[in-house]
Amino acid sequence: DAKTTQPPSMDCAEGRAANLPCNHSTISGNEYVYWYRQIHSQGPQYIIHGLKNNETNEMASLIITEDRKSSTLILPHATLRDTAVYYCIAPGAGGTSYGKLTFGQGTILTVHP
Amino acid sequence: GAGVSQTPSNKVTEKGKYVELRCDPISGHTALYWYRQSLGQGPEFLIYFQGTGAADDSGLPNDRFFAVRPEGSVSTLKIQRTERGDSAVYLCASSLGFWGGGNQPQHFGDGTRLSIL
Repeated sequence: DAKTTQPPSMDCAEGRAANLPCNHSTISGNEYVYWYRQIHSQGPQYIIHGLKNNETNEMASLIITEDRKSSTLILPHATLRDTAVYYCIAPGAGGTSYGKLTFGQGTILTVHP
Repeated sequence: GAGVSQTPSNKVTEKGKYVELRCDPISGHTALYWYRQSLGQGPEFLIYFQGTGAADDSGLPNDRFFAVRPEGSVSTLKIQRTERGDSAVYLCASSLGFWGGGNQPQHFGDGTRLSIL
């Protein structure tokens, strides 16, 4: 797995965009970047993933830099229910890391009124 | 549609007892994963099944832990001679097919909270 680095915590006002950064400078060319979030007492929830191109779905947008060494998860209009721990993960594309997710400490996002 | 289901949601037992935790994956998902999450930490990988076979069990902490998936659907995580340090939330996830280079996201259940007294 490529090592990922995220800020430990961030704040966001309700209704504003939340931009969560992630550094993955050791990522290899065929490794995807995945984002999950975990709300208290629930299992991790898949948000979005991407390889090279920017991606958007009903939950969020993922912006990946051209050199693929960093990415940003964007929640366009944050709500109080988006308060959670957000994990950026780059699982290995092969070898023994195939099939497993390695969770770091993530970013605690707090959305306030 | 139905997500990953884990039972029981909570389990309290005494040190030394045997426990079984069940996971029902999303219908049609051939890959199944077990993780363990201690308080304040991110989930840690335990074992991964592709079909009926364990493709990677490198995360199992010791031989007291064992998991099966006899028919390629439901899986059971078994813990023998439980210890207080086994207390954690045990999470199960499933995905379509083999991880395949990272194109098949894992979908998680809400876990079983295991407490060893």
